[in-house]
Parts: sequence; structure tokens; C-alpha cells
Amino acid sequence: KAGVTQTPRYLIKTRGQQVTLSCSPISGHRSVSWYQQTPGQGLQFLFEYFSETQRNKGNFPGRFSGRQFSNSRSEMNVSTLELGDSALYLCASSLGLASQETQYFGPGTRLLVL
Amino acid sequence: AQSVSQHNHHVILSEAASLELGCNYSYGGTVNLFWYVQYPGQHLQLLLKYFSGDPLVKGIKGFEAEFIKSKFSFNLRKPSVQWSDTAEYFCAVKPPMTGNQFYFGTGTSLTVIP
Repeated sequence: KAGVTQTPRYLIKTRGQQVTLSCSPISGHRSVSWYQQTPGQGLQFLFEYFSETQRNKGNFPGRFSGRQFSNSRSEMNVSTLELGDSALYLCASSLGLASQETQYFGPGTRLLVL
Repeated sequence: AQSVSQHNHHVILSEAASLELGCNYSYGGTVNLFWYVQYPGQHLQLLLKYFSGDPLVKGIKGFEAEFIKSKFSFNLRKPSVQWSDTAEYFCAVKPPMTGNQFYFGTGTSLTVIP
């Protein structure tokens, strides 16, 4: 089974621009979560989608948004980029919402904002 | 505030030394506990997980972790490390009723010297 895939792998943008990142979960997985990883803050939860509905949202500004499609693929969008948005953005998928679900992570998209 | 603490930020060991990485959490109730590893240039991979039952869980590559409820701890151990264990290690907690939202510690960077 193919793992979680994320595109693009690397991205360079300038302040004020917007960016869209894509995540394809493992086949059959219906839950997709997004995390931001930075050296100072570690991994911070952005949001989670299940069956095209946002189920949970972390403490990030409204510039960060996401959506999930009927095939469980997910996108996240960051508008009006700031220098501090430079990070590795990780997508994780799991089968469902059961408390004992394991999350499987993708390789991430490394975003650099200049 | 709810949190996950990894007290060792950087650990340097020689090959064959024993390893113990600390993880403490502050969530009440029944939690699910995980250790993930991120090898250089690779994505996060699950090392082991604890849901219930025997508090000593065994994972891949000779790692094990012990859940001590009274101490809110889930420490990772390995009797004899190898150079290939050089990586970043993350403790993660999934509290009840939070969907798939994981709370991660800030990570411990392990360097094993041959």
C-alpha cells in the first residue's frame, strides 16, 4: 500500500503570497490531519478532516485553512504568507476517528517564505 | 495547560550504550500514547504505541516504553543503541474525545557516535 503523499515537497514563496499544499492519504483512510513543524515549536496541530468535514482545529490564525475532498484527499491553504510561516507542513492520515487510531505521516512539504 | 514534556532535548551516546528518553504528559483520564521517530531526511514513523493492558510495550528496532500512570510518564528505552538510531524522537499523546489530534513533545535529538 502506498503511504501518505504530499505535494509539492519544497516551496519558496514571498511574504504576502498564498500557498496551497496537497495531501493524499493512504488508500482507505478517511481522516487527514495537518501539522506544522518548526525547530522552536515542534509539531503543532493545525486541523483535522474526516468525511469532508473539519472535525478539529488548532490554535492558528484564520489565514490557515483547509478542505477535504470526497476521495479523502486534502489541501491546506495559507494566505498572506508571513516569514514565520516557514516550516515543514506534515499531513497524517488514519482510518477513522477511533481513539486508538494510529496516524501515518507523509514526508512533508517544506515551505520557505522570503 | 495540557502539555507533553520531553526533558532531554539533545542526547549524545556511544554505540552500545543504553538509552532512556523521558516523556511526561499532563492530561487526565485515559490517554493513548505514542513514540514516533524521524530519521534524517525521512518522515515520521511510528516506533510503538500504548492503549491499554501491559504497561511495558515493545516496538520496532528493539525499542520499548513503559507507561507509569501514577507518574504520567511514558519513557522510551533501548538497551543498546546503534549508530543507525541517530534521529529525532517524539512522544505524542492522544487524549480522549479529541478525534485524531495528537499533542507532541518538542522532540529529543539523539546522536549515536560509532
